[in-house]
Amino acid sequence: AQTVTQSQPEMSVQEAETVTLSCTYDTSESNYYLFWYKQPPSRQMILVIRQEAYKQQNATENRFSVNFQKAAKSFSLKISDSQLGDTAMYFCAFMNPDGSRLTFGEGTQLTVNP
Amino acid sequence: KAGVTQTPRYLIKTRGQQVTLSCSPISGHRSVSWYQQTPGQGLQFLFEYFSETQRNKGNFPGRFSGRQFSNSRSEMNVSTLELGDSALYLCASSYSGPKNIQYFGAGTRLSVL
Repeated sequence: AQTVTQSQPEMSVQEAETVTLSCTYDTSESNYYLFWYKQPPSRQMILVIRQEAYKQQNATENRFSVNFQKAAKSFSLKISDSQLGDTAMYFCAFMNPDGSRLTFGEGTQLTVNP
Repeated sequence: KAGVTQTPRYLIKTRGQQVTLSCSPISGHRSVSWYQQTPGQGLQFLFEYFSETQRNKGNFPGRFSGRQFSNSRSEMNVSTLELGDSALYLCASSYSGPKNIQYFGAGTRLSVL
């Protein structure tokens, strides 16, 4: 079974600064997908970024990028130029090989301060 | 394209009752997954349906069940409700397969009194 761990329950950052959220996972699979989702106060779960494990290149989506270290089973999210709208709970998630199930970490509550 | 639609958005039930939640996936998506979110346990996988068949199941008691219809819409049912079933229930749809992203609905907030 896969496990996902987010060791930072809460983080805060000043607007326009950069912040990094940590995530580690454990799996015996070799090909898999990792995700970061955000859940703002509206509770709507929104995809932030996706990483394919067989790709060495780190995924980027505008201000969001990941640092994927497959050997270390680490998958951190970097948010550049933080905006007030980035305030949300961020979840790291592992997708099982058949794509039917996401295993989530505990979440990191990020607050962006003006 | 319309997103994932979950109904109702809010429900209040009493212990011992049963409840049915509905999820309409994005058009063309054939996989529907259900998750329970609570402050204590976080996000936990309930089950996943693809082409009307349950393909994967989490560690929940038999009181939690689901089904999927031929139009890919899915329902989940919880019988003999307990206080601990109070949670946000999220549904996600995808084309299926690990390359495909799961898109989430806004959830159904269930309160058991």
